[in-house]
Amino acid sequence: AQSVTQLGSHVSVSEGALVLLRCNYSSSVPPYLFWYVQYPNQGLQLLLKYTTGATLVKGINGFEAEFKKSETSFHLTKPSAHMSDAAEYFCAADYNFNKFYFGSGTKLNVKP
Amino acid sequence: EAGVAQSPRYKIIEKRQSVAFWCNPISGHATLYWYQQILGQGPKLLIQFQNNGVVDDSQLPKDRFSAERLKGVDSTLKIQPAKLEDSAVYLCASSLGAHSTDTQYFGPGTRLTVL
Repeated sequence: AQSVTQLGSHVSVSEGALVLLRCNYSSSVPPYLFWYVQYPNQGLQLLLKYTTGATLVKGINGFEAEFKKSETSFHLTKPSAHMSDAAEYFCAADYNFNKFYFGSGTKLNVKP
Repeated sequence: EAGVAQSPRYKIIEKRQSVAFWCNPISGHATLYWYQQILGQGPKLLIQFQNNGVVDDSQLPKDRFSAERLKGVDSTLKIQPAKLEDSAVYLCASSLGAHSTDTQYFGPGTRLTVL
């Protein structure tokens, strides 16, 4: 079955430290891949997406993600965490015509 | 540009009651989605509209859930009768089209609590 797995429901980093949020997809045919961020009581906001082309994708707020077909992964990174990055992050895969499968989310906590 | 609007933002009902949610997508967006987000889980697609036609409703519990988008703009999602397990945030999203490169824009959601 098509699915998206996010390892770690909670990740805690210190301000200024590297952020790494993990995402793996399940299909042998690479889907389109997305990362969304959700702040409390708000809707999801697109951070970045991979469709085709360059496997390193840059998004908003200094985030980037690398598509690795051999690992069926699309991990999200940011070199230096900021307090404002504290939120919940969702990875999603589009296997067919804009039908998204979301992971269960990772809550990022940033410590001062 | 105005975003996706949803109302109400919060709703508390008792089981077996009925409830309806409303969504106004971004102007000009042909594709509209309803998602259910249960606490601790990622959003799950319930139904996808292209203009006023249903593209995918394979995960919509049709015995109790219904949705419509009569004029290809606003949409309503109804639950009748509600069950305890329907407690969730209901998210509406819209995109220009149904192509995978068309970004989905999400509304703030309606948080439903069924007692």
